[in-house]
Amino acid sequence: AQSVTQPDARVTVSEGASLQLRCKYSYFGTPYLFWYVQYPRQGLQLLLKYYPGDPVVQGVNGFEAEFSKSNSSFHLRKASVHWSDWAVYFCAVHQGGRALIFGTGTTVSVSP
Amino acid sequence: ETAVFQTPNYHVTQVGNEVSFNCKQTLGHDTMYWYKQDSKKLLKIMFSYNNKQLIVNETVPRRFSPQSSDKAHLNLRIKSVEPEDSAVYLCASSRTGGNQDTQYFGPGTRLLVL
Repeated sequence: AQSVTQPDARVTVSEGASLQLRCKYSYFGTPYLFWYVQYPRQGLQLLLKYYPGDPVVQGVNGFEAEFSKSNSSFHLRKASVHWSDWAVYFCAVHQGGRALIFGTGTTVSVSP
Repeated sequence: ETAVFQTPNYHVTQVGNEVSFNCKQTLGHDTMYWYKQDSKKLLKIMFSYNNKQLIVNETVPRRFSPQSSDKAHLNLRIKSVEPEDSAVYLCASSRTGGNQDTQYFGPGTRLLVL
C-alpha cells in the first residue's frame, strides 16, 4: 500500500543554519510527490512538487527537494533557515483516485 | 482574490448536534476535497468530489456527508457529532483531480465537540 514516512517528529535548527527534513515513500509505479507547509492556525501551502524528470526540484522561499528512486526518498532542504520557517512540514504522495497521502509531519523550531 | 474559503473558522457544539461547514473555491477547479486533521496533526482524506464522481474514504462514518450545489462549493455535514469528531477540517481543490494536480487548501474549520 502507498505510504509516506517522516521519521522526525520535531527538528530544532538555529537561524541561518541549514535544514534537511526526511521523507520516505512507498508507492507502486511513478510517484508524484509534494511538500506542504502549515503555519500556525492556517491551511497547507505548497512548497514544491515532483514530476518524473529532474530529481532536484526547486520550490518557494529557498526550499528544494531531491527525489531518489533507489532510496524511495524525497528529502527537503534549505541552505539558510529564517525564523519565519517555524512551521509544520508535510510530505505527501498522490494516491491516485485523487487523494493525497500525507506523512505525519515534522515540526521545525528555529532558535535565535 | 482567488483561493479556497472556509466558514466558520471555529465551531463549538455538543454531542449529538448537527453541524455544517462551508467551502468555496474561486480557482475555477473541477475537483474538491475534505480532509480531517486530528489533534496530532495527522491528515486523512475524507471525500473527493467532482461533477461526475464522489469518492468516499471507507473509514469515514456515515454521519458525515458532503453536499455540493455546484463545482465551486463543497460543504460538509455531520449529522450527529461525536467527541472524536473534534478536529480541524480542511477543504481543498484541484484543477482536474489528476496525479499531477496541485491541491490548494483553505484555512480550515476547527470543531470542538463537548
